[in-house]
Amino acid sequence: DAGITQSPRHKVTETGTPVTLRCHQTENHRYMYWYRQDPGHGLRLIHYSYGVKDTDKGEVSDGYSVSRSKTEDFLLTLESATSSQTSVYFCATKAGGVETQYFGPGTRLLVL
Amino acid sequence: QQQVKQSPQSLIVQKGGISIINCAYENTAFDYFPWYQQFPGKGPALLIAIRPDVSEKKEGRFTISFNKSAKQFSLHIMDSQPGDSATYFCAASKGSGGSNYKLTFGKGTLLTVNP
Repeated sequence: DAGITQSPRHKVTETGTPVTLRCHQTENHRYMYWYRQDPGHGLRLIHYSYGVKDTDKGEVSDGYSVSRSKTEDFLLTLESATSSQTSVYFCATKAGGVETQYFGPGTRLLVL
Repeated sequence: QQQVKQSPQSLIVQKGGISIINCAYENTAFDYFPWYQQFPGKGPALLIAIRPDVSEKKEGRFTISFNKSAKQFSLHIMDSQPGDSATYFCAASKGSGGSNYKLTFGKGTLLTVNP
């Protein structure tokens, strides 16, 4: 699992509140990714990072922002949570020069 | 626009049987095709992957068949076991040219292997 932890693992919040999810890795991988998983949609890329302070948008980035100030941490922020952002969020990492992405255990987010 | 289409959505197989999951892609620039396995409550884990320069790759009971001209690839699980019951995702990415190895996933197949 490439030493990936996600926190919190479960969170319930209310519509309109900001939420930050954290991904921490211990393998010094260059690339980090945030995906969301929803029934019938598979996994969809939200944002990704190709280095410290280097980030870019994925397929479903609206309503989300990210930051990466250290190699080991990648933060996903929902600026003002909506019910449509209820989902399971996965972080993944990848070393440079190899293809394999390793996934974390996921964060289950419920927005009421 | 769905770039990777996966079928079937669900599959029930008897123990010892062959499980087959199919995927089709649209972007001819894709050059890496992994399959991920996910158990309930866990993150996806890489099962097997292939590049378009080969037509087949086998690892134990798992085989990927790749048809570049048809833009299709499939996962075959031989001698399926109840422990193989999981959700399987195909994916594709373009590794070169500054794409940053972003994966595009199919929607997943829920495999149930009955004992």
